[in-house]
Amino acid sequence: DSGVTQTPKHLITATGQRVTLRCSPRSGDLSVYWYQQSLDQGLQFLIQYYNGEERAKGNILERFSAQQFPDLHSELNLSSLELGDSALYFCASSVEHRVDNEQFFGPGTRLTVL
Amino acid sequence: SQQGEEDPQALSIQEGENATMNCSYKTSINNLQWYRQNSGRGLVHLILIRSNEREKHSGRLRVTLDTSKKSSSLLITASRAADTASYFCATKSGAGSYQLTFGKGTKLSVIP
Repeated sequence: DSGVTQTPKHLITATGQRVTLRCSPRSGDLSVYWYQQSLDQGLQFLIQYYNGEERAKGNILERFSAQQFPDLHSELNLSSLELGDSALYFCASSVEHRVDNEQFFGPGTRLTVL
Repeated sequence: SQQGEEDPQALSIQEGENATMNCSYKTSINNLQWYRQNSGRGLVHLILIRSNEREKHSGRLRVTLDTSKKSSSLLITASRAADTASYFCATKSGAGSYQLTFGKGTKLSVIP
């Protein structure tokens, strides 16, 4: 158990819909990262937040957005869903002030878009 | 985009044998990390090697790094059925960069 929690575990929805994925980082970790894992693209970094502020952006679509709240939990919002958005979405957290940041991954949310 | 490329894509060995996986990357790095993922589950951090290190050990794991060749290898000795998983290398580039860039992974099957 990494200490990172994600809800829900599974999500099945239809094209065009909007969903919210939730992540709670490990106690004391200020940085949250979101990754998408799909069969064709592999594991791709989406976005990072540190202490409530966006720190870095990766291959995140404009239809996707995220935020980190004062209690440090984070939400990833996916809208106008397409079949190709079906993937495993992982959240990770770390203590960012260290250069050698080990990222602790949550169990993931499996999103299926029908 | 993928920074690391693991080789082989899949590896099947008998329990007790050693497993070696390789990773190549394209840009200069700050450190390289190896993660394990059991089928469809979260990633577990295995080991981190800094760009100024050449070799590191952790239990049955041995990691080497050759920055001149932009490559790393992960050796698992005396493999067990429980080692069956996908293994990913991930790189972190630059002092101001904290996100990891993952390779596509090596799927290891250890046959009892």
